[in-house]
Amino acid sequence: NAGVTQTPKFQVLKTGQSMTLQCAQDMNHEYMSWYRQDPGMGLRLIHYSVGAGITDQGEVPNGYNVSRSTTEDFPLRLLSAAPSQTSVYFCASSSGVRPYEQYFGPGTRLTVT
Amino acid sequence: EDKVVQSPLSLVVHEGDTVTLNCSYEVTNFRSLLWYKQEKKAPTFLFMLTSSGIEKKSGRLSSILDKKELFSILNITATQTGDSAVYLCAPKSGNTPLVFGKGTRLSVIA
Repeated sequence: NAGVTQTPKFQVLKTGQSMTLQCAQDMNHEYMSWYRQDPGMGLRLIHYSVGAGITDQGEVPNGYNVSRSTTEDFPLRLLSAAPSQTSVYFCASSSGVRPYEQYFGPGTRLTVT
Repeated sequence: EDKVVQSPLSLVVHEGDTVTLNCSYEVTNFRSLLWYKQEKKAPTFLFMLTSSGIEKKSGRLSSILDKKELFSILNITATQTGDSAVYLCAPKSGNTPLVFGKGTRLSVIA
């Protein structure tokens, strides 16, 4: 199993550009989440999904969209990048049986100039 | 609104010291509290605590939960440089994802 994979590892965007951060898991997990981590702020939840076709907003959803058309994939879209979105983004998944045991991807470091 | 406060925010100790990290929380429909260790990359799972007063142990690490006072502590005895990391606590409520604290950055110097 590859676990949770994220691409790209690094990305630099200009203000106003859009892009999609990819996240995939091969563990057949129902739950998937996106977090951002900023210095001194801990992990903050952006969006999450409890199953294919179901998504919900987390703590900091503005400026981001998600969709969950398959169990495996949970892409995060930045609609119009802003410098405030410079951060490290983590995707995580967990099973419905053990929802507390989240498996994290390696992260994507995004810089918006 | 859910709230998680970890203290201290950072800590520097010498190898062999014992440290105690604190996590207080206010969440609705509390189910459990989790501790994670984050080194350079993604967090890794340490403990899940569901019941008050029952200590969970893993080697030199131990943790306990007080559901009445709404806090948890993580103890690390005989610290080593490999314990240097950010330690995150995260209460879990219902079927929603974890709510993370800001973390405690532990630095262990030789």
